[in-house]
Amino acid sequence: AQSVAQPEDQVNVAEGNPLTVKCTYSVSGNPYLFWYVQYPNRGLQFLLKYITGDNLVKGSYGFEAEFNKSQTSFHLKKPSALVSDSALYFCAVRPRPSGNTGKLIFGQGTTLQVKP
Amino acid sequence: DVKVTQSSRYLVKRTGEKVFLECVQDMDHENMFWYRQDPGLGLRLIYFSYDVKMKEKGDIPEGYSVSREKKERFSLILESASTNQTSMYLCASSPTFQSGELFFGEGSRLTVL
Repeated sequence: AQSVAQPEDQVNVAEGNPLTVKCTYSVSGNPYLFWYVQYPNRGLQFLLKYITGDNLVKGSYGFEAEFNKSQTSFHLKKPSALVSDSALYFCAVRPRPSGNTGKLIFGQGTTLQVKP
Repeated sequence: DVKVTQSSRYLVKRTGEKVFLECVQDMDHENMFWYRQDPGLGLRLIYFSYDVKMKEKGDIPEGYSVSREKKERFSLILESASTNQTSMYLCASSPTFQSGELFFGEGSRLTVL
């Protein structure tokens, strides 16, 4: 079965330190990969995506993600965390081919807590 | 900017009631989705639609139905609400091209008493 795993329920970092939120996937082929962020009682906001090309993808709010095909991972990173980055983060994949339906498979989410 | 609007942010219903959750998008997207979000379970796909009057079951369709009479509107229907359907419901839309990301509404938090 196709799946996405975020092995950490919560990640705690101090403000100013680098952060990593992990994501691995089990999907056949070469999927498209996404990261979303959710603030309390809000919908999901798109952060970045990997389609092809450079393994390091840059996105919104200073976030970036590194695609590693051999490890089937797509970890989210930021060089210097801010308290305002505290939120729930979701990794998602879209298998290829997926027809024209655009379905995404989501991980269970990781809560990022950045402390001052 | 793409806007996906869910008409109700918070609803409280009683067991057995019929519940309608409405979603409208303004970007002429072909695809629309209903997800359910529960703590520790992430987002689970209930139903999706890739065209007007077309629908397909997602991973957890039981107890739900959908309607898409117009391209911009996708409704989720709970025919007879139950307490285990208490959850956050998220609507999303996306364009047809393969790499297009999903755009989400703000969510509808449903409590069934």
